[in-house]
Amino acid sequence: GPKVLQIPSHQIIDMGQMVTLNCDPVSNHLYFYWYKQILGQQMEFLVNFYNGKVMEKSKLFKDQFSVERPDGSYFTLKIQPTALEDSAVYFCASSLEGQGNSDYTFGSGTRLLVI
Amino acid sequence: GDSVTQTEGLVTLTEGLPVMLNCTYQSTYSPFLFWYVQHLNEAPKLLLKSFTDNKRPEHQGFHATLHKSSSSFHLQKSSAQLSDSALYYCALGNNRIFFGDGTQLVVKP
Repeated sequence: GPKVLQIPSHQIIDMGQMVTLNCDPVSNHLYFYWYKQILGQQMEFLVNFYNGKVMEKSKLFKDQFSVERPDGSYFTLKIQPTALEDSAVYFCASSLEGQGNSDYTFGSGTRLLVI
Repeated sequence: GDSVTQTEGLVTLTEGLPVMLNCTYQSTYSPFLFWYVQHLNEAPKLLLKSFTDNKRPEHQGFHATLHKSSSSFHLQKSSAQLSDSALYYCALGNNRIFFGDGTQLVVKP
């Protein structure tokens, strides 16, 4: 079936540096999401994005985080500057619709380690 | 606010035995409930989704019944297979998906 591709699969970065996580969503999907999963903990919602705008963000979506999808290319999550507590797996997802019963397609995640 | 509770962090059972993973939820609305399955180093994938007409969804031998009276959506399968070993998330869909903590299912020969 259709897939969400996340690049890179792993990233190690020095604390304080900037990192950009890339997501190639399913081609006809209109809604995009980022989730964060710290090792051994649940997947937590960060942000959703539609029509070029952030629709909703959680408390975990700090001021250092930003998302965009310039010109229909990758949907990106940028963290600047990074902190040690940003170490986690970040999952991107997309859906065709934005209602509560929408099926999400998830990527395999980017494992970010901030040292 | 919306929340999902999965009481078991780890369920270990023998191949061929029945599976039941618990899920309860809280919501101020009438949400949709989902089960997602995540195999090691793979993306979470949709397993089941509740229907608006209260039909029981089934997929790959798994089924779940939404009970609004008890706010539950337990996942069941009559006979576990080795390949069922994975992390199972119960999730609630409103304007976005809320995930439970997940239940790791380990099926042994």
